[in-house]
Amino acid sequence: DADVTQTPRNRITKTGKRIMLECSQTKGHDRMYWYRQDPGLGLRLIYYSFDVKDINKGEISDGYSVSRQAQAKFSLSLESAIPNQTALYFCATRGQGDHYGYTFGSGTRLTVV
Amino acid sequence: RKEVEQDPGPFNVPEGATVAFNCTYSNSASQSFFWYRQDCRKEPKLLMSVYSSGNEDGRFTAQLNRASQYISLLIRDSKLSDSATYLCVVGSGNTGKLIFGQGTTLQVKP
Repeated sequence: DADVTQTPRNRITKTGKRIMLECSQTKGHDRMYWYRQDPGLGLRLIYYSFDVKDINKGEISDGYSVSRQAQAKFSLSLESAIPNQTALYFCATRGQGDHYGYTFGSGTRLTVV
Repeated sequence: RKEVEQDPGPFNVPEGATVAFNCTYSNSASQSFFWYRQDCRKEPKLLMSVYSSGNEDGRFTAQLNRASQYISLLIRDSKLSDSATYLCVVGSGNTGKLIFGQGTTLQVKP
């Protein structure tokens, strides 16, 4: 099994619909992150969490919400999807200590029509 | 000014060539540095961490210059399989977040 699992892998949804992207990790790390990636804009941080009770906004949190259901699970919701939220979404986890990098999930390709 | 800047390329090189990528960062308090590799439509994967003394992993050498706030990645004897986007990544002080550059695209040709 992958260390970080994202579901779904691909999703097409209509404008105005609510959609949830799910992420789970088996690395036992406290720190989890949601990023989106757009061509020419790189990876941008949406939300991050350092434990179940610690949720923080990233640089582009408007239009998104998150839930940290357990240490291993961190979901991202789009309350009312809009076309400019079409992107590749990545979940990541990171161990304690500066020397750890991120481990990413395989990504969710979301298209809002 | 972006926190982490890279030349987007693309760098087109023949097999066997040596190629170098540079990256600059703006936060002098940054403590951790990495190079990631990303293949098209796939997740970024850690290529190597970058240490103050510089470090090498096979054909790949990473260097850090804290005074000038730049990081480099050298790839020797390029292979076709090295074709990818290389992301410079910097730890944002003690916030636990990593800041990504936009990536440098490398295309190795036969």
